[in-house]
Amino acid sequence: KQEVTQIPAALSVPEGENLVLNCSFTDSAIYNLQWFRQDPGKGLTSLLLIQSSQREQTSGRLNASLDKSSGRSTLYIAASQPGDSATYLCAVRAYNTDKLIFGTGTRLQVFP
Amino acid sequence: EAGVAQSPRYKIIEKRQSVAFWCNPISGHATLYWYQQILGQGPKLLIQFQNNGVVDDSQLPKDRFSAERLKGVDSTLKIQPAKLEDSAVYLCASSLSGHQIYEQYFGPGTRLTVT
Repeated sequence: KQEVTQIPAALSVPEGENLVLNCSFTDSAIYNLQWFRQDPGKGLTSLLLIQSSQREQTSGRLNASLDKSSGRSTLYIAASQPGDSATYLCAVRAYNTDKLIFGTGTRLQVFP
Repeated sequence: EAGVAQSPRYKIIEKRQSVAFWCNPISGHATLYWYQQILGQGPKLLIQFQNNGVVDDSQLPKDRFSAERLKGVDSTLKIQPAKLEDSAVYLCASSLSGHQIYEQYFGPGTRLTVT
């Protein structure tokens, strides 16, 4: 059974810092991995999607990497801003299903 | 393009009462999902529809939860009777098709509090 873990559970940093969020999964047979952002009272917004054949994806100040063999993904946020404050969720999708298995999330606060 | 719509946004009920949530997916999306997100946890899939048929309801507590998508468009999720542990955010998502290559798009969710 696939299990997804995210560390740390919460993170508070000053504006301008570069930071790394971690996601690990127990079954390496994944189709893809996706990072989402969740703001309070709102739904999930997709940030980056990495296919199993890819090593990383970049969008603006965000960079996500994937190491399938070790069951890990990282989300790198450069030059953090207060507007980045949110909960970040990673989710994996197996080959034989389109079901998303989510981690528990990392709650990020960036203070001015 | 309009996103996934959900209503109500918030609901407070007492235990043993019933409640219903409504979801309207993105136009043209054949697949609809209902997720439950308990505070401090990631979303968990409750049920998946392909058009008006159920694809996966393995994690739906069928003794109290029911869902339908009669015309293959909007969907209703019902809880009857509610328990304290049903307090959660209920998220609806839709995708073009149930294949892995298609992304899921999420609505804003309905926050349920059971007292």
